[in-house]
Amino acid sequence: DGGITQSPKYLFRKEGQNVTLSCEQNLNHDAMYWYRQDPGQGLRLIYYSQIVNDFQKGDIAEGYSVSREKKESFPLTVTSAQKNPTAFYLCASSGQGEWANQPQHFGDGTRLSIL
Amino acid sequence: GDSVTQMEGPVTLSEEAFLTINCTYTATGYPSLFWYVQYPGEGLQLLLKATKADDKGSNKGFEATYRKETTSFHLEKGSVQVSDSAVYFCALKTSYDKVIFGPGTSLSVIP
Repeated sequence: DGGITQSPKYLFRKEGQNVTLSCEQNLNHDAMYWYRQDPGQGLRLIYYSQIVNDFQKGDIAEGYSVSREKKESFPLTVTSAQKNPTAFYLCASSGQGEWANQPQHFGDGTRLSIL
Repeated sequence: GDSVTQMEGPVTLSEEAFLTINCTYTATGYPSLFWYVQYPGEGLQLLLKATKADDKGSNKGFEATYRKETTSFHLEKGSVQVSDSAVYFCALKTSYDKVIFGPGTSLSVIP
């Protein structure tokens, strides 16, 4: 079955450490997104990519970095510059062009906590 | 800019009650509209969608109609169940493929 796989489900970060969250999709979608969700809050866009080797900052990109070397993969790195990284991170993908009206498909999320 | 406004929660209903969650939007052009549902500890799942004015999206007993004249996309269900307890997000997708989410409305259904 097609879908989005995020790993790990739970992740712990030590002070000063960078951590990378994995997101893989086999839906053949061009666009991929990373969101942050804090308890009781909505989704805030961190980064998005509409095509391989290209990505744009979202509303809260500071302290995060991404890469898009393959269509299927869009990993997110939470750097030590992100001082409050504890949150639930969601990856999503969607079709483009003639599929622009298609919804986003979401992974099951990664919960990141500070040790 | 584009935005989505949802009614504030949490909403608590008894089983078999009627549900309405209000959603209004501001957007240029003709966005597509979506309702997503999030169960505890999980990602978001698409509940229903509408891509043009007067379209009605429906799924699992939930319905919402794209009202361009009132810029609204209210979610309704005639008889809620305990299993409907979740957080519901209204969202719009613009012609530039940007997705705007509302803040979410938490629903608790009690037996």
